[in-house]
Amino acid sequence: AIQMTQSPSALSASVGDRVTVSCRASQVIGNGLAWYQQKPGKAPKLLIYAAYNLQSGVPSRFSGSGSGTDFTLTIRSLQPEDFATYYCLLDYNYSWTFGQGTKVEIK
Amino acid sequence: QLQLQESGPGLVRPSETLSLTCTVSGDSINRPGYYWGWIRQPPGKGLEYIGNIFYNGDTYYNPSLKSRVTISVASSKTQFSLSLNSVTATDTAIYYCSRFHYYSGSGSFPDYWGQGSLVTVSS
Repeated sequence: AIQMTQSPSALSASVGDRVTVSCRASQVIGNGLAWYQQKPGKAPKLLIYAAYNLQSGVPSRFSGSGSGTDFTLTIRSLQPEDFATYYCLLDYNYSWTFGQGTKVEIK
Repeated sequence: QLQLQESGPGLVRPSETLSLTCTVSGDSINRPGYYWGWIRQPPGKGLEYIGNIFYNGDTYYNPSLKSRVTISVASSKTQFSLSLNSVTATDTAIYYCSRFHYYSGSGSFPDYWGQGSLVTVSS
């Protein structure tokens, strides 16, 4: 089975900062990767699908990049409502695997 | 507007079977191009994929849970269900049902989620 390694597990940032979160797959996976935002007590929200496609209604400060084994979620200018936990999700060969999560906290 | 709602017991005894139902409104479970699935999250921990069912009835399960899990669609086509047998305390989690949107050539990802249902395994 493919392993997903998400990093960092947590980070502290200020409003206006540029933030990046990474996911690395243990083998080449194409572009079958999505990014989610989860706030306490809420279901996850889809931000990016197929590595770099912005889900409808998601602010353009969120972007996804990467291919092969390495993928990145970037938040261009962090807003107060962006403090949350972020997860990547791999879909490869009818097998879905979440990353471990990255908690973005206020510095 | 698509909505999903989980329902079922909040407490299950160890070694028994956990059963949850997801009621779908605003869409049809047998509409081509979508999966319907379950994801769980132990309190304070990360997300874990459990399994899903394609509109044609094909099922896919997390290998680590496959021997204990069954996902099925009700004849009404407005509900699908999760059955997890031989539960232990490690199965205590918030269980989410979701719709997986199929993006041709690029995978399938949950785009709509229920609010989640906390299931505690305890005697």
